[in-house]
Amino acid sequence: SAVISQKPSRDICQRGTSLTIQCQVDSQVTMMFWYRQQPGQSLTLIATANQGSEATYESGFVIDKFPISRPNLTFSTLTVSNMSPEDSSIYLCSVLSPGGGELFFGEGSRLTVL
Amino acid sequence: QKEVEQNSGPLSVPEGAIASLNCTYSDRGSQSFFWYRQYSGKSPELIMSIYSNGDKEDGRFTAQLNKASQYVSLLIRDSQPSDSATYLCAAWENTGFQKLVFGTGTRLLVSP
Repeated sequence: SAVISQKPSRDICQRGTSLTIQCQVDSQVTMMFWYRQQPGQSLTLIATANQGSEATYESGFVIDKFPISRPNLTFSTLTVSNMSPEDSSIYLCSVLSPGGGELFFGEGSRLTVL
Repeated sequence: QKEVEQNSGPLSVPEGAIASLNCTYSDRGSQSFFWYRQYSGKSPELIMSIYSNGDKEDGRFTAQLNKASQYVSLLIRDSQPSDSATYLCAAWENTGFQKLVFGTGTRLLVSP
């Protein structure tokens, strides 16, 4: 499986600020996804990061709050904008295996908003 | 909204026993199913995938799929304390790779 690196691994942020999370993959991948895992909860899909076009957002998530970039087949960023304590979560980058079907996750970025 | 449902647990088993984890899904169009293991503070790790009805074995793990009943299970034989984690069941919506839907997870506790 691909090696997926996320930065930062964790951060403590102030209310009203924005933070950008980076996801780097060691090989080209067709599909990349961003998930959120709130404390004690399961994983919720935020959006699919599309290379060269706008991300596809799930219901309840909007581009103004979670802008996503994907400039190439190995890199993507997720920004959490104008953060509030409710945004305190683990944010996970994931990629689809080349053969299709299996989804692999990065180590996650744990954000705490004060 | 397609759903994947799991009992949240915790499921407690003694070391050496068989742990049985269950999952149901609502989308009859789903064709691919997965079990992830997530240790506290870590990201999910894929441990099993299953695409056809029946059993699939990998070491101490056996995944079972019954599409007619929309039921997926994971058996862990000879459970070890290191198996203590949350196990997440997941299924792709319909037949495309657009959205992998996760259950809420079952917490497994294996006591020495």
